[in-house]
This record gives sequence, C-alpha cells and structure tokens, in this order.
Amino acid sequence: SAVISQKPSRDICQRGTSLTIQCQVDSQVTMMFWYRQQPGQSLTLIATANQGSEATYESGFVIDKFPISRPNLTFSTLTVSNMSPEDSSIYLCSAQTGSGNTIYFGEGSWLTVV
Amino acid sequence: RKEVEQDPGPFNVPEGATVAFNCTYSNSASQSFFWYRQDCRKEPKLLMSVYSSGNEDGRFTAQLNRASQYISLLIRDSKLSDSATYLCVVNLNTGGFKTIFGAGTRLFVKA
Repeated sequence: SAVISQKPSRDICQRGTSLTIQCQVDSQVTMMFWYRQQPGQSLTLIATANQGSEATYESGFVIDKFPISRPNLTFSTLTVSNMSPEDSSIYLCSAQTGSGNTIYFGEGSWLTVV
Repeated sequence: RKEVEQDPGPFNVPEGATVAFNCTYSNSASQSFFWYRQDCRKEPKLLMSVYSSGNEDGRFTAQLNRASQYISLLIRDSKLSDSATYLCVVNLNTGGFKTIFGAGTRLFVKA
C-alpha cells in the first residue's frame, strides 16, 4: 500500500489567484495522478504526473491552467491557475502501486474559489 | 456506452439487510478490478480487489465474471456505517495502464 499526504487540506481563494497543492507519497511509485471531484460528481482524471517529463493531460485539461511538477518518485504538485468559482472542487492526488496496480488516494484538497 | 457502468442508486436498506451492487465494463482488455468506498466529503479508499475465483472479506463478497464482463459486491448484515458510495474500478492495459472509475452506487443503511 501507499500513504499519501496532501496539503493544503482545504483553502478558500480569491478568483484570479493560483494555488499549488503538494502531494507526498511514503514510498517510491512509478505512477502518480491528479483527479478532480466536483460536488456530487464522479472522479475526473486531470493528468498523469510523469517523473522527469511533462505531465500527460486528459481531454479538457491544459498545462497552462493546471501545471504539474513531478521532480522525483515520491512527490508531485498541482497548481490551479487563475482560479474561477468553477474550479471549486476537491483535488485528489493518487499513486498506483502494488500487485494489480492498485490506486491509493491522498485525503484531498478542498478548494473554494470566491 | 460508458467504459464502467454502475447503478447510481441510491439503495436504501434497513440494518441487517443484504445488498448487492453490480458493475459492468466494456473493454475486454480490462485486467484488474476493485471496489472502493467513498464516504461523504472524503477520498475513495480501497475496499477490496476482485478476483476471478471470487473473494470474501468479512461481510463483503466480490465476484468477477470475465465472460459477461460483470463485477459484483455483496454486503451481508448491513451496518449503519456501511452507508457510503461504492465505486467500481477497472484497470486496463492497452499499451499502458489506465484506470477507469465507475460513477458510484450510493448506499444508505437505516436503523
């Protein structure tokens, strides 16, 4: 298994500002991902954080809006740029590891944009 | 057709009831299967992996039917604390691993 720590756990931000979320895994993992889950909705994959190279973004998500860093095998950051109220959501960091490539999640970062 | 489909519910059951959730997946390249539990305003947490031979963990039993591309989760003797959303999750290997989450089935267990 993997223990994943995210911070901040929650924040209230002004529109037009940016927020960086940090994710730390307690072991080296090959695959890390960032998800978004809006209230009452299912998980949406934002991107795969690739170590040492640019993240791979899903349709509808772009690097300018959601820049991601992955400097090593245990750490990643997601920045939500130029925020608007529509960005209010929970952002979840996850890592894939173990037999069967199980996904483990951090506790999430609750973002409210006002 | 969605890659992973679940009945969204909600399922409203009394304590002690047995409840079953179903999930179908469309891609035959699916390789591994899981059920996750997500409490309100919390992150999803792994409940159990699903194996072709079926597997049981206490009151929870998961089964996989590869021929029908169907996964199930059975909860016996439901507790109030079982109230949550249950997510069906499938890993595909199509040249690289891809994880697909179902939208979840909401369960309410009532006293």
